[in-house]
Amino acid sequence: DAGVTQSPTHLIKTRGQHVTLRCSPISGHKSVSWYQQVLGQGPQFIFQYYEKEERGRGNFPDRFSARQFPNYSSELNVNALLLGDSALYLCASSLGVVAVTDTQYFGPGTRLTVL
Amino acid sequence: AQKITQTQPGMFVQEKEAVTLDCTYDTSDPSYGLFWYKQPSSGEMIFLIYQGSYDQQNATEGRYSLNFQKARKSANLVISASQLGDSAMYFCAMRLGNRDDKIIFGKGTRLHILP
Repeated sequence: DAGVTQSPTHLIKTRGQHVTLRCSPISGHKSVSWYQQVLGQGPQFIFQYYEKEERGRGNFPDRFSARQFPNYSSELNVNALLLGDSALYLCASSLGVVAVTDTQYFGPGTRLTVL
Repeated sequence: AQKITQTQPGMFVQEKEAVTLDCTYDTSDPSYGLFWYKQPSSGEMIFLIYQGSYDQQNATEGRYSLNFQKARKSANLVISASQLGDSAMYFCAMRLGNRDDKIIFGKGTRLHILP
């Protein structure tokens, strides 16, 4: 069975540019979450989407936005890139059950470098 | 505030020995789930093991077991018979029950298995 897939694998942008990251969840999973992981830290929650609706949002500026499509895939958009946005962006999928047992499974990540 | 603390930035262990990675958590929510993830240098977060706050037994998955001490708010990961392939970052994480879908991660422990 295919796991969570993300594209692209690596991306280099310059300050002020816009970027779109893509994620496809595990088949049967309806929820997608996005995390930012800067070097040396644990992942930080950005967004969660379930059935195309935003279910949760972390402490990130409005430059960050996301959406989920009818096939449950998702995009994360970041506008006006800053040097501090350089990080590994991880996508996680889960069934979407609101319960502590709903395990999130992660993709390989997109490594974004902002110059 | 909810928080995960991993006090060991790095550990060196001889191959075939058992290793314990420490994790303490802080929450006033009675319902929560605790997770451990492994992150190799490739970046992908690999789910290892889950423990629910109401579970009576400690969780086990193959060579991984979770030493759950609820009163002390600790959830240490034990890896038995360590292998070279166990060298990676290990993250302890928590999800709160029925109210929030995000996972809160600790800062991680880098484990080095020595031949």
